[in-house]
This record gives sequence, structure tokens and C-alpha cells, in this order.
Amino acid sequence: SQKIEQNSEALNIQEGKTATLTCNYTNYSPAYLQWYRQDPGRGPVFLLLIRENEKEKRKERLKVTFDTTLKQSLFHITASQPADSATYLCALGMDSSYKLIFGSGTRLLVRP
Amino acid sequence: DVKVTQSSRYLVKRTGEKVFLECVQDMDHENMFWYRQDPGLGLRLIYFSYDVKMKEKGDIPEGYSVSREKKERFSLILESASTNQTSMYLCASGLATGGENTEAFFGQGTRLTVV
Repeated sequence: SQKIEQNSEALNIQEGKTATLTCNYTNYSPAYLQWYRQDPGRGPVFLLLIRENEKEKRKERLKVTFDTTLKQSLFHITASQPADSATYLCALGMDSSYKLIFGSGTRLLVRP
Repeated sequence: DVKVTQSSRYLVKRTGEKVFLECVQDMDHENMFWYRQDPGLGLRLIYFSYDVKMKEKGDIPEGYSVSREKKERFSLILESASTNQTSMYLCASGLATGGENTEAFFGQGTRLTVV
């Protein structure tokens, strides 16, 4: 069956460390993968998109990798800050379809 | 800035009521979406519209209908609300699929409670 999985347990790290979040998928062939940030009681906000032919993408303190062999994306926040505390969602997209398939998200807590 | 506005942040409705959730976007996007979000289940697509008066069912359309009479407005209708429709409802809009312009812009969400 098709699945997209993110760690349901919260990730708790110290300020200044690098946070690494994982998104694994099964039985999909996505053309691209997106990461979103969601704060409590709010809608998700787009952060980054990476396409299947890209290994890595960076934006300020954010870095995303995409390994289509492992069927996995890693999302890194370097020099993390308490303001980075939120839930992070990954979403798979196919060029042939309008649909985004979302994972259930991982909550990140950054301690001061 | 793209703005997607949902008409209510919180709603409480009774079982059997007909419920309307309204969504308006101001960026002339072709695509609009309705999702519901439940703990542990992620965002699940209810309905999608790619043009005025055009709609397609998503993964969980049962018990819902939609209306898109104008490009900027997409309404979700719960024909007869039930307690299992208690959820966070999220509207989103976006440009046509493909390429870099595939991100979705979300509204702030409507937390609906059916009692």
C-alpha cells in the first residue's frame, strides 16, 4: 500500500543544534517533494520544494535532501532557535496530478 | 502576499445541520482545495477545483459537496453534519500544477465541532 511517514514523536533539541526531520514514502514515484511549517491553530506555510532530479536544496538555515533510491527526504534546520518550534509536514507531488499527499507531520521543540 | 481567507476560525454546529465553509483567495489562482486535518492522519483532500464550476473528488468526499461559482471563492458544504466531521478544515489555493509553481497557500483553518 502507499504510505508517507513522518516520525510521530516530537523531536526535542537544544537551541543552536541542528534539527533533522525525516520523511519516508512507499509505493509512490513523486516528481517533487515539499516541506511546510505549521504553527498551532494555523494553516501550513510552504518552506521548500525539491525535485526528483535534485539531491539537495538550501534556503538560509534550511536544507532539504531527496534520495529517490531510499525513498526518503531529510529536512535540516541548522543553528536552531526556539522560534523554529512548530510542526513540519512533508508532501509528495506528481507532475501529472494536482494532488499533494501530506504526511502527518513531526513536532519540533527547540529548548532555549 | 497571497492571502487565503476562511470565513470562520471556530464553528459549533448541531448534528444534521447544513454547514457552509467559505474560502476566498486574492491571487487569481486556478486551483483551490479543501482538506481536513485530524491528529495522526495528516491532511486529507476532500475536494479540488481547477476552474470555475469545475470540481473533482479527493480522497474523502463522502458527506461533503463544494461550489465554485467565482474563481476566487470555493465553498465546502456539509449536507448533514455528523459528529465524525468534527475536524480542522483547511482551504488552499495554488497555480497550475507542474514546475516550480506548485506550492499550496493555506488559509488559517476552521475548527468545526459538531455536537
